[in-house]
Amino acid sequence: DAGVIQSPRHEVTEMGQEVTLRCKPISGHNSLFWYRQTMMRGLELLIYFNNNVPIDDSGMPEDRFSAKMPNASFSTLKIQPSEPRDSAVYFCASSLGGDTNEKLFFGSGTQLSVL
Amino acid sequence: AQSVTQPDIHITVSEGASLELRCNYSYGATPYLFWYVQSPGQGLQLLLKYFSGDTLVQGIKGFEAEFKRSQSSFNLRKPSVHWSDAAEYFCAVGARGTYKYIFGTGTRLKVLA
Repeated sequence: DAGVIQSPRHEVTEMGQEVTLRCKPISGHNSLFWYRQTMMRGLELLIYFNNNVPIDDSGMPEDRFSAKMPNASFSTLKIQPSEPRDSAVYFCASSLGGDTNEKLFFGSGTQLSVL
Repeated sequence: AQSVTQPDIHITVSEGASLELRCNYSYGATPYLFWYVQSPGQGLQLLLKYFSGDTLVQGIKGFEAEFKRSQSSFNLRKPSVHWSDAAEYFCAVGARGTYKYIFGTGTRLKVLA
């Protein structure tokens, strides 16, 4: 398996623009997570999907952030409008199940820079 | 409050030297504990995990960790560090049946040749 695939690897955009990050989880995994990593706050869970359904989006910082999982093999995280404070590395991770018994598999992340 | 503390932001060791990375946690439920490693430009990879049983856990790449309930610690060790171990290491805690992990802020390891 190719692992969790994220695109793009790097994104540079200007404040106010829409940004869409993409994730393809490992085939057969039914849980998907979006994390944000910053120097100040470390690794934060933004949203968790189980069987394509959003279960917990309490970590989504503002209404500017939205995430979808239209099918088991694809998810997006959208920021509209983007702001400089959104600059971070965004990781997608997937697992077989939804609890901490299951190992998380992380993608390589998207480095987002908002100017 | 639930938290994970990694007191060392940076650690530098010489190749072949032993390594210990510290992790302390505060967690209300019985903790499940993890160590992940992040190489530059990559996502996190699980090194090892502790759920129950033997408090000394073996992981990949020659790493081990010891769970000490009395000290609320889960320190990561390696007897002899290789240059390829240079990376950032994250301790995490969760609870059975939950999807929420709390990650520490990481320890960046530098290995001198």
